[in-house]
Amino acid sequence: NAGVTQTPKFRILKIGQSMTLQCTQDMNHNYMYWYRQDPGMGLKLIYYSVGAGITDKGEVPNGYNVSRSTTEDFPLRLELAAPSQTSVYFCASSQISYEQYFGPGTRLTVT
Amino acid sequence: GENVEQHPSTLSVQEGDSAVIKCTYSDSASNYFPWYKQELGKRPQLIIDIRSNVGEKKDQRIAVTLNKTAKHFSLHITETQPEDSAVYFCAASQTNFGNEKLTFGTGTRLTIIP
Repeated sequence: NAGVTQTPKFRILKIGQSMTLQCTQDMNHNYMYWYRQDPGMGLKLIYYSVGAGITDKGEVPNGYNVSRSTTEDFPLRLELAAPSQTSVYFCASSQISYEQYFGPGTRLTVT
Repeated sequence: GENVEQHPSTLSVQEGDSAVIKCTYSDSASNYFPWYKQELGKRPQLIIDIRSNVGEKKDQRIAVTLNKTAKHFSLHITETQPEDSAVYFCAASQTNFGNEKLTFGTGTRLTIIP
């Protein structure tokens, strides 16, 4: 199993641009999550999903959107990028009541 | 919502000594408490977790204790080694169907001094 994969690994965006961060898991997990980690800080939940077709906001959802059309994929969309969205983004997945497995992360810089 | 506080933010210990990191949580309904280790530039990885029906769990040099009454839990690393140097995050959640969100602490940067 590849586990949780994310693309791209790095990206530089200009202010106002948009992009989609891709996340795929091959463990047939129901739950998927998106976190952001600012330098020297902890993980903040952006959005999560408990299954295909179901998504919900986390702690810091503003400026982001998600969709979950399949069990495997959980893309994160950034609209109108702002410098405050400069961060490392981690996708994670889990089975109900078990550990979360994290992807390798996407390092995003907005200038 | 849940709030998790973690202390200390940085910790340096001599190789071979023990390290203790402490966390408190606010929501008495939380029942799952994992600890993640994140090495520089890498993804967080689970090292140990504990559920509310037990008070202590050990895995070789790592142990976690939970005090539900006081709403705090701690990570203990014994006989520390250089490879233990990393940032450690505690977290808390309710593992009820449809509510599996983890709330993370702000992290502890552990440095092992050779």
